[in-house]
Amino acid sequence: ETGVTQSPTHLIKTRGQQVTLRCSSQSGHNTVSWYQQALGQGPQFIFQYYREEENGRGNFPPRFSGLQFPNYSSELNVNALELDDSALYLCASSHQETQYFGPGTRLLVL
Amino acid sequence: GEDVEQSLFLSVREGDSSVINCTYTDSSSTYLYWYKQEPGAGLQLLTYIFSNMDMKQDQRLTVLLNKKDKHLSLRIADTQTGDSAIYFCAESMYGGSQGNLIFGKGTKLSVKP
Repeated sequence: ETGVTQSPTHLIKTRGQQVTLRCSSQSGHNTVSWYQQALGQGPQFIFQYYREEENGRGNFPPRFSGLQFPNYSSELNVNALELDDSALYLCASSHQETQYFGPGTRLLVL
Repeated sequence: GEDVEQSLFLSVREGDSSVINCTYTDSSSTYLYWYKQEPGAGLQLLTYIFSNMDMKQDQRLTVLLNKKDKHLSLRIADTQTGDSAIYFCAESMYGGSQGNLIFGKGTKLSVKP
């Protein structure tokens, strides 16, 4: 148990829709990162938030956006969903040199 | 560019040792990690090593780092069926709270009884 929770666990959307995924960080961790893991691949970094500000971004288009709240919980928003957005979305909270992952949200885009 | 390579599959017998290998390209990587992912689950941090170390041991797990060859390995002693999972190697320049982790594609470990 990492103390990182994500909701929902599974989600089905259709192409063109918008989705919001949620993450609660481990207590005391002020940095959260989001990753996309396609089937059979390693996680790919989307972005990181530190104290409510974006602190780094991977090679993802602007339709992937995020928020971090004062209690360090976080949201990942994806607009104009595409079929290739189907993946496991993982959030990780970190303190110092390690990142602790939640169980993920599995998104299917039809 | 940054890249992390792993072999895709490894099969061992229960009780044997498993060795999972990883190579990385970024010589400025400071932290190197091993994560375990069971089917349908998130990633579990197993261990990590700082780049100024050659070896780290934690119970059944031994991590070896050859910085000159940019090679990292994870040895699991007395492998059990519960160790069957996908193992990911990851690198980071600044550590988890100051940047992203770059992952390999994972090595699927199958443990046969």
